[in-house]
Amino acid sequence: VHLEQSGGGLVQPGGSLTLSCTASGFTFSDFWMTWVRLTPRRGLEWVANIKPDGSEKFYVRSVKGRFTVSRDNTKNSVYLHMTSLTVDDTGVYYCARDLNTMTTWWFDPWGQGTLVNVSS
Amino acid sequence: SYVLTQPPSVSVAAGQTARISCEGDNIGAKSVHWYLHRPGQAPLMVVYGGRDRPSGVPDKFSGSTSGNTATLAISSVEARDEADFYCQVWESTDDCPAFGGGTKLTVL
Repeated sequence: VHLEQSGGGLVQPGGSLTLSCTASGFTFSDFWMTWVRLTPRRGLEWVANIKPDGSEKFYVRSVKGRFTVSRDNTKNSVYLHMTSLTVDDTGVYYCARDLNTMTTWWFDPWGQGTLVNVSS
Repeated sequence: SYVLTQPPSVSVAAGQTARISCEGDNIGAKSVHWYLHRPGQAPLMVVYGGRDRPSGVPDKFSGSTSGNTATLAISSVEARDEADFYCQVWESTDDCPAFGGGTKLTVL
């Protein structure tokens, strides 16, 4: 079970970036997928997740309207398209597989992370 | 939003047991999950549901929860256990995950 990430890099404030995450070793289309970021100011912060069929998506309030999570089950991949980036979005972004019961969710495994550096 | 409070750092001598706390309002009523994170690597789940371990995680990692505190214990610590540790719960009010601020474990 493995998640391989790509994308990220240096972008100016107001710019856009798309992150990718490709899964292997499990039936991708059966699972919710999540993006989490690690920032100096907020530590680990859940960013967004997406239902197995892509029909439902949820976002943390600070990225709503700016970030879009999507997936392509034919490619076993999930994406995070980020626009109107600010310095506060700087951090390492991780994709992760959601696991859950009726009352709780957790994340396993995680991708290796990709750095997003928003700077002029 | 639900706040999880962890000590920024914990130091313990090699061979001893490290205990990392995670405080939250009535956290004993929630399922607490713990992650190990070495810089530059993917975070790794070490405990889920308060006390269960994923396959492949050694039994030196154990979790417990009582009242307003969850605890991750790491027995017989060694240098390779040095990492950042994060607790996480599902916050039903906001319907999203909440993470603790993380604790850096140093092995002396």
